[in-house]
Amino acid sequence: KAGVTQTPRYLIKTRGQQVTLSCSPISGHRSVSWYQQTPGQGLQFLFEYFSETQRNKGNFPGRFSGRQFSNSRSEMNVSTLELGDSALYLCASSSSGGGNQPQHFGDGTRLSIL
Amino acid sequence: AQSVTQPDIHITVSEGASLELRCNYSYGATPYLFWYVQSPGQGLQLLLKYFSGDTLVQGIKGFEAEFKRSQSSFNLRKPSVHWSDAAEYFCAVGADDYKLSFGAGTTVTVRA
Repeated sequence: KAGVTQTPRYLIKTRGQQVTLSCSPISGHRSVSWYQQTPGQGLQFLFEYFSETQRNKGNFPGRFSGRQFSNSRSEMNVSTLELGDSALYLCASSSSGGGNQPQHFGDGTRLSIL
Repeated sequence: AQSVTQPDIHITVSEGASLELRCNYSYGATPYLFWYVQSPGQGLQLLLKYFSGDTLVQGIKGFEAEFKRSQSSFNLRKPSVHWSDAAEYFCAVGADDYKLSFGAGTTVTVRA
């Protein structure tokens, strides 16, 4: 069974631009979560989607948004990029997203802002 | 709200020696606990999980962890480390809000 696939793996943008990251979950998984990983803040939860509905959102500004499609694939978008948005963005999937379910992570998208 | 503390930022261990990584959690109800490992440039790989039952859980790559409710701890252990165990290790707690809360991580260096 294929794992979680994130594209692209690396991305370089400049301040003020916007970016869209993509995540394809494990087949059959309907919950997709996004996390931001930085050396200073560690792993921080961005949002979680299940059946195209956002069920929880972390403490990030409105510039960070996401969506999920009917095939469970998910995208996250960051608008008006800032230097501090440089990070590794990780996507994770699980069958239904409950707290007792292990989340399976992709290898991430490394976003660098110049 | 749930939270996780990993007191050790960095641990250095000799190859073949035992390893123990500490994790303390804060959560009002029965926690769902996980340990993940991350190698450079990669995502997180699940090592093991605890939901209920036997407080000593076995995971992949020879790791085990023990849940101690009285100490709010979920420490990870390995009897004999290999050079390939050098990585960053994260403890996490899951709750009913569809997210994982992670500790800050512990970097493990293995010396020959």
